[in-house]
Amino acid sequence: GAVVSQHPSRVICKSGTSVKIECRSLDFQATTMFWYRQFPKQSLMLMATSNEGSKATYEQGVEKDKFLINHASLTLSTLTVTSAHPEDSSFYICSARELAGNTYEQYFGPGTRLTVT
Amino acid sequence: SQKIEQNSEALNIQEGKTATLTCNYTNYSPAYLQWYRQDPGRGPVFLLLIRENEKEKRKERLKVTFDTTLKQSLFHITASQPADSATYLCALYNFNKFYFGSGTKLNVKP
Repeated sequence: GAVVSQHPSRVICKSGTSVKIECRSLDFQATTMFWYRQFPKQSLMLMATSNEGSKATYEQGVEKDKFLINHASLTLSTLTVTSAHPEDSSFYICSARELAGNTYEQYFGPGTRLTVT
Repeated sequence: SQKIEQNSEALNIQEGKTATLTCNYTNYSPAYLQWYRQDPGRGPVFLLLIRENEKEKRKERLKVTFDTTLKQSLFHITASQPADSATYLCALYNFNKFYFGSGTKLNVKP
């Protein structure tokens, strides 16, 4: 299957600083990537859909000015958490979809554990 | 409202038995449904996809069924092994997005 990488895997930052997370599709091109966050023992919550060459589409309740998404190339999307606060501490996971026949298969990165102190 | 429900209680079974996990949904019309495995602190790993016009799909020890009338998918692991212990997520593909259930934790005891 296709491989998606994320960097960093873990990050600890101080409240008020910004953190950038990278998501890369390693062996395929992804015009669309997704960003999720997951709290302990809960489901993946879709935050936004990242589209190459255009603005991201955010889910209801997600602040686009706080979670900046840039999909600069067909293999890279970045999520920047601006002015991070302790409540932003979570597990952030990206995914990229690949068209297989007439269906999309979705491949996930390994996730980034963000801790804001 | 739209819901995807998976049994939130852990499923504990003995090695060698068949594990059956359930995914029920309401107010969705998914084109297809996927099952994923997630280990603690890791991203989900794709296992199987089943389309709305398919009743059953198999891959090695895995089997998925999809009943669009009941709005339900069942995920089976036959001859389960302790290494199968993980959380299993179902996801619906609807209007260009994937929506996830909260997952069911499977514990396979040796």
